[in-house]
Amino acid sequence: NAGVTQTPKFRILKIGQSMTLQCTQDMNHNYMYWYRQDPGMGLKLIYYSVGAGITDKGEVPNGYNVSRSTTEDFPLRLELAAPSQTSVYFCASSYSKVGRWEPPYGYTFGSGTRLTVV
Amino acid sequence: ILNVEQSPQSLHVQEGDSTNFTCSFPSSNFYALHWYRWETAKSPEALFVMTLNGDEKKKGRISATLNTKEGYSYLYIKGSQPEDSATYLCALHTGRRALTFGSGTRLQVQP
Repeated sequence: NAGVTQTPKFRILKIGQSMTLQCTQDMNHNYMYWYRQDPGMGLKLIYYSVGAGITDKGEVPNGYNVSRSTTEDFPLRLELAAPSQTSVYFCASSYSKVGRWEPPYGYTFGSGTRLTVV
Repeated sequence: ILNVEQSPQSLHVQEGDSTNFTCSFPSSNFYALHWYRWETAKSPEALFVMTLNGDEKKKGRISATLNTKEGYSYLYIKGSQPEDSATYLCALHTGRRALTFGSGTRLQVQP
């Protein structure tokens, strides 16, 4: 059971370039999330998804886009990379029962992508 | 903006010491409080999910308590070991969006 798989692990981008961070989970979790972590700061939510075809913005969505065409995949797209997007990016997933709200189970995180924009 | 505060920011203890740290959060709109353990070069791992006022959870030498009325949770480690060295994150779920994380308490246990 792979859990949450993120690729790549490291990447250096030049200002203005674009890239996609890949995230795949094999646990049939309905919820998926993208967070970024800056030095000395907590995890900040970029985007999240409650199921295939449904995405919504988090605290810091500017400069990013996401899609959720399948339950398993939740890629994060950076358009026109800027130095402010230098960070460590974490994808996570969780399960919550549909149709009746319950507190989510704990998140399962991927191993992170360290991105540097120069 | 939801503020989840953790203290202290970092902590150095000797092997065998017991320690505790605090997570403070707004008590309104509370649904769940999560604790995660985050070792260097790894990804965060869930320790506890707590939902009820007065809840206590335990996993080996690590335990946590929750007070939703006053908006805090304590994490305790009894007899710290070097392998307990990690950053401990708490996160609040208010029923909207996703978890809001604190910035963590970094624990270093010296042998």
